[in-house]
Amino acid sequence: GAVVSQHPSWVICKSGTSVKIECRSLDFQATTMFWYRQFPKQSLMLMATSNEGSKATYEQGVEKDKFLINHASLTLSTLTVTSAHPEDSSFYICSARDSKGGYNSPLHFGNGTRLTVT
Amino acid sequence: GDSVTQMEGPVTLSEEAFLTINCTYTATGYPSLFWYVQYPGEGLQLLLKATKADDKGSNKGFEATYRKETTSFHLEKGSVQVSDSAVYFCALSPNSGNTPLVFGKGTRLSVIA
Repeated sequence: GAVVSQHPSWVICKSGTSVKIECRSLDFQATTMFWYRQFPKQSLMLMATSNEGSKATYEQGVEKDKFLINHASLTLSTLTVTSAHPEDSSFYICSARDSKGGYNSPLHFGNGTRLTVT
Repeated sequence: GDSVTQMEGPVTLSEEAFLTINCTYTATGYPSLFWYVQYPGEGLQLLLKATKADDKGSNKGFEATYRKETTSFHLEKGSVQVSDSAVYFCALSPNSGNTPLVFGKGTRLSVIA
């Protein structure tokens, strides 16, 4: 089946530093990937839509200068949390839909990245 | 806009009990419907899906039927196991463009031996 690989699975960083999270579709191509954030015991909050070769579309309230998204190829999107602060600590999950699958095909999710900012 | 409402948790059941997690949706057009499962510390895994009315999705003993007349997609399993303990998310895809899924808030299930 379709696999989305997300790396790293967990990271601890100091306040003020930046962290990059990678999301790769391993056996399919994805023109669009979606980045979600999940707080403890809560649902997923869509942060942004990552479009291959163009700028990401951010949801209202998400700072685009803080959460930099790059989708340089059909199989890779990256999320960089810049100048991280403790309130950015969260579980970040990426997802992708097979470009050949049609709009009613499911999203495939990475295993998430647990970010802890100290 | 489109939305998904699922029953509040947590739900605690004894092993081999019957499970129902209710899910209703609001959408224009004809969405596709999904159930995802999230085990502790992991991402989401697709559990089952249905793309049109009266379709039944099934996997690992779980079932859900797309009911257009009641705009529902309730998740059921006849006999739960301890290993089914997880958070379950109902979701819809609007079927109009390459759009993200709309998720319900999730229902935490704990199965005790």
